[in-house]
Amino acid sequence: GALVYQYPRRTICKSGTSMRMECQAVGFQATSVAWYRQSPQKTFELIALSTVNSAIKYEQNFTQEKFPISHPNLSFSSMTVLNAYLEDRGLYLCGAREGGKDTQYFGPGTRLLVL
Amino acid sequence: QQQVRQSPQSLTVWEGETAILNCSYEDSTFDYFPWYWQFPRESPALLIAIRPVSNKKEDGRFTIFFNKREKKLSLHITDSQPGDSATYFCAASEGGYKLTFGTGTSLLVDP
Repeated sequence: GALVYQYPRRTICKSGTSMRMECQAVGFQATSVAWYRQSPQKTFELIALSTVNSAIKYEQNFTQEKFPISHPNLSFSSMTVLNAYLEDRGLYLCGAREGGKDTQYFGPGTRLLVL
Repeated sequence: QQQVRQSPQSLTVWEGETAILNCSYEDSTFDYFPWYWQFPRESPALLIAIRPVSNKKEDGRFTIFFNKREKKLSLHITDSQPGDSATYFCAASEGGYKLTFGTGTSLLVDP
């Protein structure tokens, strides 16, 4: 079956530092990977959509300078939160989808706490 | 502007009753509508989804009713069980690539 792994599952970083999170698709080819953030008491915000062989598209309020993303192949993607501050805390989800198919599979998320 | 809206924000039903969760959207180009459920401290999981070519999609106790003209859809959970207690998110996308989520409905099923 299709599975998506994310690591770390939980991380704590000091304010102003950066942390990298990874997303691994198993059992299917992750043609596109979308990164979302669920802030406390909020819904899921799309950060960016990455499609293999296409430019990464960031949503309004999110930039490559703050959330650089790498999607080097059909099974792996990573995102870094640079200069993390309190407002960056939340659950970061990776949603991976195979081209031509509807379902987007989510990983368990990386929960970021900022001190 | 919230592209996908959900109501109610929270809902409590008795075990065995039917829970009805509502969703509406703005963008008429949306062509895929999945519902996800999320249990505490877990990531969202796909529950059921529909495309506008249908006005109804059923999977066991879960049924989506879709009204394209009014840009509304609803999720009906019949014979609700305590294990159905979760937060339900309605989402929409064009082409399935990026999902726009609603704000969620927190469902509690009382035994």
